[in-house]
Amino acid sequence: AQSVAQPEDQVNVAEGNPLTVKCTYSVSGNPYLFWYVQYPNRGLQFLLKYITGDNLVKGSYGFEAEFNKSQTSFHLKKPSALVSDSALYFCAVRDKGNDMRFGAGTRLTVKP
Amino acid sequence: GAGVSQTPSNKVTEKGKYVELRCDPISGHTALYWYRQSLGQGPEFLIYFQGTGAADDSGLPNDRFFAVRPEGSVSTLKIQRTERGDSAVYLCASSRSLPNYNEQFFGPGTRLTVL
Repeated sequence: AQSVAQPEDQVNVAEGNPLTVKCTYSVSGNPYLFWYVQYPNRGLQFLLKYITGDNLVKGSYGFEAEFNKSQTSFHLKKPSALVSDSALYFCAVRDKGNDMRFGAGTRLTVKP
Repeated sequence: GAGVSQTPSNKVTEKGKYVELRCDPISGHTALYWYRQSLGQGPEFLIYFQGTGAADDSGLPNDRFFAVRPEGSVSTLKIQRTERGDSAVYLCASSRSLPNYNEQFFGPGTRLTVL
């Protein structure tokens, strides 16, 4: 069965600095990988996904993620963090089945 | 148009009671999913509907949980004989069916508290 791991519960960065939120996955076939963001009292919002092709995927709000098959990773990145990026971030994986498996989440705090 | 809506936003009930949680998906989305999110955890898959039928209910924790989608649009998650361990945020999501890597659009969730 597929699974993802988000090794960091919390990531703190200063505004303007680059940020990375880590995700590794385990799946038997070719993975479909997703990043979602959750703001307080709001539903999960889709940021980006990797299906196939270019390993660098660009998404909403200036975020991007790099698929690395050899390291089974799909880290979320942004070149310059904003205070408004502070939220809970979830990595998710889906194979050919119907269910999507989410990581436990990483809380990103961007300080002014 | 409107996004996924869920009602109620909060539900407090007593142990042993029956509850119903409603999800109204995005118009035209034939795929509908229910997830449960406990504190400090990511969403956990419960059940997937393709149209009116439950195509995959492998995530339902036990037979106290049941979901329906009689007309292929609105879905209701039903929990019988609620237990304190059922307390969580219940999330609903919808998507276009094919391809199956379409992103899912989530509602704001229903926070269920079982006293």
